[in-house]
Amino acid sequence: SQQGEEDPQALSIQEGENATMNCSYKTSINNLQWYRQNSGRGLVHLILIRSNEREKHSGRLRVTLDTSKKSSSLLITASRAADTASYFCATDANTDKLIFGTGTRLQVFP
Amino acid sequence: GAVVSQHPSRVICKSGTSVKIECRSLDFQATTMFWYRQFPKQSLMLMATSNEGSKATYEQGVEKDKFLINHASLTLSTLTVTSAHPEDSSFYICSVVAGDQETQYFGPGTRLLVL
Repeated sequence: SQQGEEDPQALSIQEGENATMNCSYKTSINNLQWYRQNSGRGLVHLILIRSNEREKHSGRLRVTLDTSKKSSSLLITASRAADTASYFCATDANTDKLIFGTGTRLQVFP
Repeated sequence: GAVVSQHPSRVICKSGTSVKIECRSLDFQATTMFWYRQFPKQSLMLMATSNEGSKATYEQGVEKDKFLINHASLTLSTLTVTSAHPEDSSFYICSVVAGDQETQYFGPGTRLLVL
């Protein structure tokens, strides 16, 4: 399977804490994207990082990419209860197709 | 970003019937749409790539005669699950590729339950 792996599978934190999720993938990529999914809903695009970039920020989100290790991390700072959702990484190997990771279920307690 | 809708949002049907799911790009002309399937607490698995005006491209292991895809216009793709069985019960999600050809925008999903 080409599917990426994410860890942890589940993460529970208190509001205000930071949440870090990791993603590993198997093939060379054009870019890596992070998506968020609320329970039973569609996916929302969060951030895209290209293979020649190492770090990217968007609001409270910070994404890193290490192509030598084929891994990425998503950091959510100062988490809020509304951040509770599943988070997926997805890789694009320049085919327009996205290969999704297994996902991390984040629970933020108020 | 692009706004994508799906209809219906949920459907319950009897085993053996066919179910059609619509995916519409409301503000963007999409030559390419993707169909995914997601089982509970699992990730999204790409089923097929829907190409406007031509045949869909199916991923390995996905039966093209069972999951019929029609992309007759730049704003509409349909997925028909033919002769549905309980194992087809899942969450079906479509997406469109944005103008930058990199970002995908997803519909809200259709939950199918086959009894």
